[in-house]
Amino acid sequence: DTGVSQDPRHKITKRGQNVTFRCDPISEHNRLYWYRQTLGQGPEFLTYFQNEAQLEKSRLLSDRFSAERPKGSFSTLEIQRTEQGDSAMYLCASSTRRGQGNEKLFFGSGTQLSVL
Amino acid sequence: SQQGEEDPQALSIQEGENATMNCSYKTSINNLQWYRQNSGRGLVHLILIRSNEREKHSGRLRVTLDTSKKSSSLLITASRAADTASYFCATPSGTGFQKLVFGTGTRLLVSP
Repeated sequence: DTGVSQDPRHKITKRGQNVTFRCDPISEHNRLYWYRQTLGQGPEFLTYFQNEAQLEKSRLLSDRFSAERPKGSFSTLEIQRTEQGDSAMYLCASSTRRGQGNEKLFFGSGTQLSVL
Repeated sequence: SQQGEEDPQALSIQEGENATMNCSYKTSINNLQWYRQNSGRGLVHLILIRSNEREKHSGRLRVTLDTSKKSSSLLITASRAADTASYFCATPSGTGFQKLVFGTGTRLLVSP
């Protein structure tokens, strides 16, 4: 079990630029989640994939955000035309269904985005 | 939106003391989970308690759940400096998959 891997760990960008983050989940996990966390707050749900299908997107995910999970393996989260308000930690998590409504999430270390 | 509210927001204790954190939530749940987050890192799952359980233990951790009050508590006994972290409760929200909604967290500082 190699854990959830996220890349890069840190990203500094200028306002208006596009950024892309990558997440590699635990290999046998079919569920993948993206969360966003701002300083002093708990993580907030952004989107969820089951295999390659994106099944839910939060209202937090504006049109500038897009996430993909081709072939149901790794996932990418792209933010276009970044704004200063996008500065946050972006966390990826994965899980596998063990029982109805009872599963824990395995988180990566996150990508810290700073928009200048 | 945050489902849970942790209390206190911050807690500072000495090594060896016990730390108690509380979580209140708003809607009916079938389980509640606690996670720990070290500064600048991802979250690590600590313990899951089901709605039909009232108390659960894991090592130095004890979790209680009171569904009538929509509240849970996490007790860390004999704390260590390595327990310094933020602690979050999380409850499922949505149907068909395990989307977790996290509280605002309790920041615990354990001094040697």
